[in-house]
Amino acid sequence: AAGVIQSPRHLIKEKRETATLKCYPIPRHDTVYWYQQGPGQDPQFLISFYEKMQSDKGSIPDRFSAQQFSDYHSELNMSSLELGDSALYFCASSSTGGTQYFGPGTRLLVL
Amino acid sequence: AQSVTQLDSQVPVFEEAPVELRCNYSSSVSVYLFWYVQYPNQGLQLLLKYLSGSTLVKGINGFEAEFNKSQTSFHLRKPSVHISDTAEYFCAVSKSGGSNYKLTFGKGTLLTVNP
Repeated sequence: AAGVIQSPRHLIKEKRETATLKCYPIPRHDTVYWYQQGPGQDPQFLISFYEKMQSDKGSIPDRFSAQQFSDYHSELNMSSLELGDSALYFCASSSTGGTQYFGPGTRLLVL
Repeated sequence: AQSVTQLDSQVPVFEEAPVELRCNYSSSVSVYLFWYVQYPNQGLQLLLKYLSGSTLVKGINGFEAEFNKSQTSFHLRKPSVHISDTAEYFCAVSKSGGSNYKLTFGKGTLLTVNP
């Protein structure tokens, strides 16, 4: 069965640089969620989209923005990167109100 | 808002022993409950979920969990563990209605299965 695809899987950036993470949901899933998991931490909700509209917002820094496109893929844009942004970023997708299925994550390292 | 407490940060057990990973939640509204497993350097895999109906739910890899509304608990159990069950286990909760189903996770329980 098709799963959630995230790219890139690994990313190394310098402080103050910009990063873009991509998420391709399971076909026919209309909702995308982004989570951030710091080292040794539990995943924290960042933002979600339903039918290309932002549906909820969590503890996402103002330096981060995201959107969902017409083909339902989503991108998380991160600017002015800080050392503390180093984390595993997960995307999850679901059909309306359904179970969330997670992608493998993008591991971001900020040097 | 919802919150999740996983009562044990680490649980060491011997192979073929039974195990219980404890999870309590807090919410002012009805919830859905989930257990996810994370193997080292990997993503989150759904083990099982409670949405409604029978309070005993069975998942993959021989795991099961029981929803107890009065005790606001959703403990995960397996009668006999294997070395390959060594992983981090996360309990999570979401609202059961409305339009937003973001997950709130517990801090995780590291299950270590020793030979």
